[in-house]
This record gives sequence, C-alpha cells and structure tokens, in this order.
Amino acid sequence: KQEVTQIPAALSVPEGENLVLNCSFTDSAIYNLQWFRQDPGKGLTSLLLIQSSQREQTSGRLNASLDKSSGRSTLYIAASQPGDSATYLCAEGGATNKLIFGTGTLLAVQP
Amino acid sequence: GAVVSQHPSRVICKSGTSVKIECRSLDFQATTMFWYRQFPKQSLMLMATSNEGSKATYEQGVEKDKFLINHASLTLSTLTVTSAHPEDSSFYICSALGGRWETQYFGPGTRLLVL
Repeated sequence: KQEVTQIPAALSVPEGENLVLNCSFTDSAIYNLQWFRQDPGKGLTSLLLIQSSQREQTSGRLNASLDKSSGRSTLYIAASQPGDSATYLCAEGGATNKLIFGTGTLLAVQP
Repeated sequence: GAVVSQHPSRVICKSGTSVKIECRSLDFQATTMFWYRQFPKQSLMLMATSNEGSKATYEQGVEKDKFLINHASLTLSTLTVTSAHPEDSSFYICSALGGRWETQYFGPGTRLLVL
C-alpha cells in the first residue's frame, strides 16, 4: 500500500527563520510530487510541482526537492512570515493521475 | 486560468436527506475529475475518480450507492450524498485534471454538516 508521511506533524517557529518540511513516500515509481498549502476551512493552493525527472523546483521563497531513490521530498521556506502559517500537504502523483496525500504539517510562524 | 468551482460552499441538512455538490471546471475541459473527503485535522482521502461519459471508479471502502457521481459533461461533475447521516459530515473537495502536465486543479471545497 502506498503511503505518504510528513514530519513534523506540527511546527512553530519565530518570524524570519528558515525551515524545512519533510515528506516521505513509499512508491519509487512516482510520476510527480506536489506541495500544497491549505488554510483553515479552505481548499488547496498548489505551491510547487516536481516531475519525476526533476530534482527541484523554486518559487519565490519556496524550494522543493525530490529524491526518488530515497523516497523523500523537502519543502524549504526561507525567511518565514506570519502569513506562511497554514497546513502544508505533499502529494504523490502516479501513473493513473491519482494523488496520494500526506498527513500534513501544521506550520505556525510567530510574529 | 485553470479555475475549478464548487457549489454550494457550505450546506447543512437533516439526517436522511440527499445532498448534491457540483464541481465545475470554468475555463478548461476535464475528462477526469476527482472527489476527495477530508475529516477534521486529517488529510485528503480520495473517494472516487469521475470520468466523463462513463461510470466513476470508487476507492476501496467508499460506497458507490451512497456517493453517486455523475460526470455528464466535460466541465461538470456532481457528487450526491444519498440518505446523509451525521458521520457523512465532512469537507468535500473536487479536482479537475487538465493543463500541459495533466495536473489536478482543486476546487475550494464544500463543507457538509448533517444534523
């Protein structure tokens, strides 16, 4: 059974700090890996999509990496801001276009 | 581009009634849409894959007779929760497959509360 795990489950940091969120997956044949942001009671906002042939993607203060051999992806957030507070979800994409979501990391950035 | 809408955004109903949720791709056509359910403080769980013009494919453990899915056009999929019960209260999110990389574009979600 394919599983996607995120560590830590919750994280609280002071404003300005750089941080790393971790995502582990069991399927080595993934097609892509996506990172999403979800605000309380809201839908998903796509942050970064990494195809299986890529090793990383960057958007502004966000950088996501993908290591298929070890089954890991990381989301690096530079110079965190209170507005970054949200739940961050990673999702593994397979051949059938289905997404398997991770357990999520609840991030709180303290002003 | 690639906007997906859901209607309603929030619904409260009595136990035993049926509720229909609509998912629309506003500016692109989607032969495939997905329906997810998210319970409080949990992640998204895929319920079913909705294919235009054919029957939906349900994930293991999801009752197809309880969660009726219709994908009658390339821009609309509907999920009907039949004979809803309090345990069906959840956040239902749809997505539509599209774009150059065939990625999923997500709707804003529908909050269902069954009393």
